[in-house]
Amino acid sequence: DAKTTQPTSMDCAEGRAANLPCNHSTISGNEYVYWYRQIHSQGPQYIIHGLKNNETNEMASLIITEDRKSSTLILPHATLRDTAVYYCIFQRSGGSNYKLTFGKGTLLTVNP
Amino acid sequence: DTGVSQDPRHKITKRGQNVTFRCDPISEHNRLYWYRQTLGQGPEFLTYFQNEAQLEKSRLLSDRFSAERPKGSFSTLEIQRTEQGDSAMYLCASSPRTGHGYTFGSGTRLTVV
Repeated sequence: DAKTTQPTSMDCAEGRAANLPCNHSTISGNEYVYWYRQIHSQGPQYIIHGLKNNETNEMASLIITEDRKSSTLILPHATLRDTAVYYCIFQRSGGSNYKLTFGKGTLLTVNP
Repeated sequence: DTGVSQDPRHKITKRGQNVTFRCDPISEHNRLYWYRQTLGQGPEFLTYFQNEAQLEKSRLLSDRFSAERPKGSFSTLEIQRTEQGDSAMYLCASSPRTGHGYTFGSGTRLTVV
């Protein structure tokens, strides 16, 4: 019963921007959109999160649509080390909602 | 190293044996989580500790599984009478009381033969 929909796989050329979409039409008003990635044989790594506004950090940018039903993670200059499975998930802030529900994510392959 | 540490990284065991994994979270994080991940799937929640209290256990956690966090610091996950279906990556994560984002360890890969 995954609440997010992501493409199974995507390819990107090294040095180009990688734009990873996520649909989350059932998101609630108090749920944040989180992005994690998992490089082969490692644990997931936090990338970025947002509620309503677009966000940017040293790793990526997050664009959330005004209706909050979808978002896009942008890696501005993809490198080979960005090849990983990228997960888009929800989490409510604080309280007892601490579980992360992962789907299968998007396998991003960055090609030389 | 200020990350989440898990030990061992790999474990091969015979069916029916007991195994125990250890997780050392980030020291200032009071929340600790265990997840399990099978091939081609995302991680699935197993259990959650806030300090030393185990506040939730998933239905995935059968009676053969037990987790502890005795002093609110490191945690152990024990699997008794292992079965081949227990073969998976077991991930530990921690998070602060406030603020956002988990920090995951690199996991323990269990293979039951």
